[in-house]
Formats: sequence, structure tokens, C-alpha cells
Amino acid sequence: DGGITQSPKYLFRKEGQNVTLSCEQNLNHDAMYWYRQDPGQGLRLIYYSQIVNDFQKGDIAEGYSVSREKKESFPLTVTSAQKNPTAFYLCASSIFNSRGNEQFFGPGTRLTVL
Amino acid sequence: GENVEQHPSTLSVQEGDSAVIKCTYSDSASNYFPWYKQELGKRPQLIIDIRSNVGEKKDQRIAVTLNKTAKHFSLHITETQPEDSAVYFCAAPKGGKLIFGQGTELSVKP
Repeated sequence: DGGITQSPKYLFRKEGQNVTLSCEQNLNHDAMYWYRQDPGQGLRLIYYSQIVNDFQKGDIAEGYSVSREKKESFPLTVTSAQKNPTAFYLCASSIFNSRGNEQFFGPGTRLTVL
Repeated sequence: GENVEQHPSTLSVQEGDSAVIKCTYSDSASNYFPWYKQELGKRPQLIIDIRSNVGEKKDQRIAVTLNKTAKHFSLHITETQPEDSAVYFCAAPKGGKLIFGQGTELSVKP
């Protein structure tokens, strides 16, 4: 659906563990994004990448890391430095255009810290 | 600064009534304004968007209006149905990314 996938759908983590969330797209989009969504809240940008091997911090990058080694893939690592990681994580991709374009969202990963 | 304000945060209407959600943005250079619908537990999906070269765009029961002078844009849903119940987000571009509003939870009561 939309050519962008995320895995796993649900993820449970113990405190102090790093976990990596997968995001893959086959839409040939240059730009990819990671958002965090808390219950009843909007979409907060964690990191984004406009081109392979380059990425920028969003509004809430602390405690997260990303890589962009391939155009199709933009994995997000939630590190132990993230104090409150329980949330719904959404990945998105778009054709890069500084004037703005539709972002296509993946189905999301729901992360729970035990 | 980068700011998109969305109102109201919650909206309850009777089936068949109209619903209007409004957003304001701060960057006068913005020229692309999408609206996303997110059902509970699902991904946001684009329902309509507008570029600044037009003032209004309509798609069946959904329309978006844009006032560039006042820097605001609105989503209009007519003849609402229970399946319109969801959270709606507006957005505006800034430096290749989208700045999202805080969302409006629309409830359509049968």
C-alpha cells in the first residue's frame, strides 16, 4: 500500500536497550522522514533525509539516530538515551521539492518500553 | 518561525452537517498545503491538497480554500458521514519538509 513499508508493526523494548525500526520504500523517492506520534498528539519530526548519505535533525532528534546508505532505506535507532520512547513511529517519503510535495506514510511501528 | 496553527482541536457534528477546520501558517513563501486524514491506529493519508496558484479546490464532498494574503487555509467537508470520523492534519512546507498542525479530531454522530 503506497510502496512504503515499516517493520515490525509492534515492538517491545526493555529499558536500556537500543532498538532499530525499519523503513523501506520502492517509490524512488529521494526524501524520507521519521515522525513520532504520541496519543492525541500531532506529528513531530525526528530526522529527515533529502538525499542518500545525508540527513538532518528534526525537532526531537535527541536519543535517536538514523542512517541513509541506500535510497530505499532509512532505518531509525531508538537509543537508551531516549528517556520516553513509547510512541507510534511513522516513516514517510516524498519526491524532494523545496516547495513541498505529498508525503506517503508507512503503516507505522508501535514501540512500547517495558 | 516554523509554525502551523490548527483549529479546532476537536469537532463534533451531526451526520449530514458540514465541518470546517482552519489552519494558519507563518512562512509567506509556503505554496503547497496538504490535508491528511488519520483513522485510529492507521497511517495518515492525503485527502486533498492545494497549491498557491489557486484559491479553492474541490473533490466531491471535500474542499480546501486558501487565502495567501491572510496566510490561512481551510478544509471543508459537506454532508458528513460517520466514516469521516478521524483526525485531520494540515501542513505547510518549510525547507523541503512539512510542518504539521496539531490535528483536529472530528466526530460525526449518526
